[in-house]
Amino acid sequence: SYVLTQPPSVSVAPGKTARITCGEDNIGSKSVHWYQQKPGQAPLMVIFDDADRPSGIPERFSGSNSGNTATLTISGVEVGDEADYYCQVWDSRDDHKWVFGGGTRLTVL
Amino acid sequence: EVQLVESGGDLVQPGGSLRLSCAASGITVNTNHMSWVRQAPGKGLEWVSIMYSEGTTYYADSVKGRFTISRHNSNNTVSLQMNSLRVEDTAVYYCARGVHPGYFHSWGQGTLVTVSS
Repeated sequence: SYVLTQPPSVSVAPGKTARITCGEDNIGSKSVHWYQQKPGQAPLMVIFDDADRPSGIPERFSGSNSGNTATLTISGVEVGDEADYYCQVWDSRDDHKWVFGGGTRLTVL
Repeated sequence: EVQLVESGGDLVQPGGSLRLSCAASGITVNTNHMSWVRQAPGKGLEWVSIMYSEGTTYYADSVKGRFTISRHNSNNTVSLQMNSLRVEDTAVYYCARGVHPGYFHSWGQGTLVTVSS
């Protein structure tokens, strides 16, 4: 089964660009989805199908996926973006599974 | 607006049972793919179970044979029957909905299940 590897933490100054990676062999062949979770809140989907944004998600959030790494990019980071971010894929090969990465804590310095 | 409201979380002893419910508004549960995802204290997200819109169900290996997902079209709810509960089942349980089966488009606020003696 898939094991999605994320860095435990990423730090960035306000206004700068944050990049959060999600690694797995040949992840570029899968669709990757990203969720934001602020403390005490439910997860919120911010990117689906590698690079699509749900309605209401700012354009500052973007995604890419190629080779062995998917990346969530947050441009012009704001203090309100401080949260945990999780990548996720759907393994539909045999017994269907939904796999999450371990999560990355984004700290805005 | 889609709303998912979970209920039923409680403190239960190991080996006990609990039934969680998810009340949906703004959608109908039998035309969506409805899931349960859990989060142990201080840990990451773990998918638990899904019922596809056509009725097929899947379970994580960690709960297979102990948990059962079901839906109730009459009151537009989804349930998770949890039996033989273990300490490691302690978590906030989220109800989540997907228009596409691959991801979770909307989430409820969660309900806390604590398994402890």
